[in-house]
Amino acid sequence: KNEVEQSPQNLTAQEGEFITINCSYSVGISALHWLQQHPGGGIVSLFMLSSGKKKHGRLIATINIQEKHSSLHITASHPRDSAVYICAVKGVDKLIFGTGTRLQVFP
Amino acid sequence: NAGVTQTPKFRVLKTGQSMTLLCAQDMNHEYMYWYRQDPGMGLRLIHYSVGEGTTAKGEVPDGYNVSRLKKQNFLLGLESAAPSQTSVYFCASSLSGQGTYGYTFGSGTRLTVV
Repeated sequence: KNEVEQSPQNLTAQEGEFITINCSYSVGISALHWLQQHPGGGIVSLFMLSSGKKKHGRLIATINIQEKHSSLHITASHPRDSAVYICAVKGVDKLIFGTGTRLQVFP
Repeated sequence: NAGVTQTPKFRVLKTGQSMTLLCAQDMNHEYMYWYRQDPGMGLRLIHYSVGEGTTAKGEVPDGYNVSRLKKQNFLLGLESAAPSQTSVYFCASSLSGQGTYGYTFGSGTRLTVV
C-alpha cells in the first residue's frame, strides 16, 4: 500500500463545477504540499499545509491531521485548471509523493 | 525570472552513452534535489544536496551520480545509460530542509534511452 493515496485518479468536469481531490497518508508528517503539473510543463507548488485551511483565489486546501487526510477544492472550475494535481507529504527525512489526479475541465 | 532552470529539456540516448543534466537556481537555496517521474508512480528522489559541496543518496540512486560544486548548480550524471533510466527528471530546490518555505521545481527533462 502506498504511503500517500490520492483519489480519484482521473476526473472530468464541466466548466463551472466544484472539484474535490482527496489525499490520504499513512505516515507521520510535518507538512503536506499540493502541487500542479500542466501537460508538458513543470511542477508548481500550490499550497503547503500543516494544519487547518488555506485559500488562494479559487483554490482551497484543507487538512485533518487526526484523520491523515487532505482535500484540494477548486471552485468555479475552468478549462485552464486542467492539469495533474499531486499531493506530497513531508515525512521524517523526505517528501513522499502521491501518483497524482488528472483533471480535465471541458467548456 | 527567478526559479529553477533545467537543461536540456529533451534528450535521446543510446544504451551505454553518458550524459549530464544541469539544474541551476538563482534563489540562493541551500537544498537541491533530483527526482524521476515514471508513469503510475509518484516522484522518487534520486539524490539530494544540503549545501555546496555536499551530496546524499535518495531512494533510487543506482546508476546516477551528482555533484554540487557551486551552490546554484546541481548536476545529475548518467555514466552508462540504460533503458530503465527512461523517465522525466525534475530538479527542485528549497530554502530549508523541512520545506518550510515550499519547494521550487524545474520544468523537467524528458530522457529516452534506446
